[in-house]
Amino acid sequence: EAGVTQFPSHSVIEKGQTVTLRCDPISGHDNLYWYRRVMGKEIKFLLHFVKESKQDESGMPNNRFLAERTGGTYSTLKVQPAELEDSGVYFCASSQGGLEGRRTDTQYFGPGTRLTVL
Amino acid sequence: KQEVTQIPAALSVPEGENLVLNCSFTDSAIYNLQWFRQDPGKGLTSLLLIQSSQREQTSGRLNASLDKSSGRSTLYIAASQPGDSATYLCAVPVEGSNYKLTFGKGTLLTVNP
Repeated sequence: EAGVTQFPSHSVIEKGQTVTLRCDPISGHDNLYWYRRVMGKEIKFLLHFVKESKQDESGMPNNRFLAERTGGTYSTLKVQPAELEDSGVYFCASSQGGLEGRRTDTQYFGPGTRLTVL
Repeated sequence: KQEVTQIPAALSVPEGENLVLNCSFTDSAIYNLQWFRQDPGKGLTSLLLIQSSQREQTSGRLNASLDKSSGRSTLYIAASQPGDSATYLCAVPVEGSNYKLTFGKGTLLTVNP
């Protein structure tokens, strides 16, 4: 069974440009999460999808970040325009899902996309 | 606000030694606690998930314990091997959530042959 995949593995862009990160969750996983780790800090939660619906985007830094999950399969995270402080590693994770709101599932993480904004 | 602390930040041991990694969290009302491993340039690999009703979980040479009341978890690695070298991360859901993980900064483990 394929794990969570992310593309690209690395991205180097200039300040002001746009970048789109993609995540393919494990097949059949309803839950998809985005996390970010900036240099020297802990991994931080960004948002959570259940199928195609955004359940929680409380961790999104600002409105320069837009996440979508069309059709409830893969997800994209767009940063527009990128700023220097957006540099970091963006992780995607997925989990199977279960009883609404109560079951806790193991989250399976992808390898991450390392974003560098110059 | 949930905060997770991992001690030590780095640990270097000779091969074969048993070792303990520590994780503490400030809000004891958690649904579960998860231990991950991260290899350089790779994603996070889930090692063990302990539900709030459990006190420990075992997988091979790994044993994780959970003491909710004191806000602590330990990851015990028996008979360490060079292949165990990695960063180990502890994560718990934030208050009121069963999915929004809060991570510690991790413990960088080096097992020397």
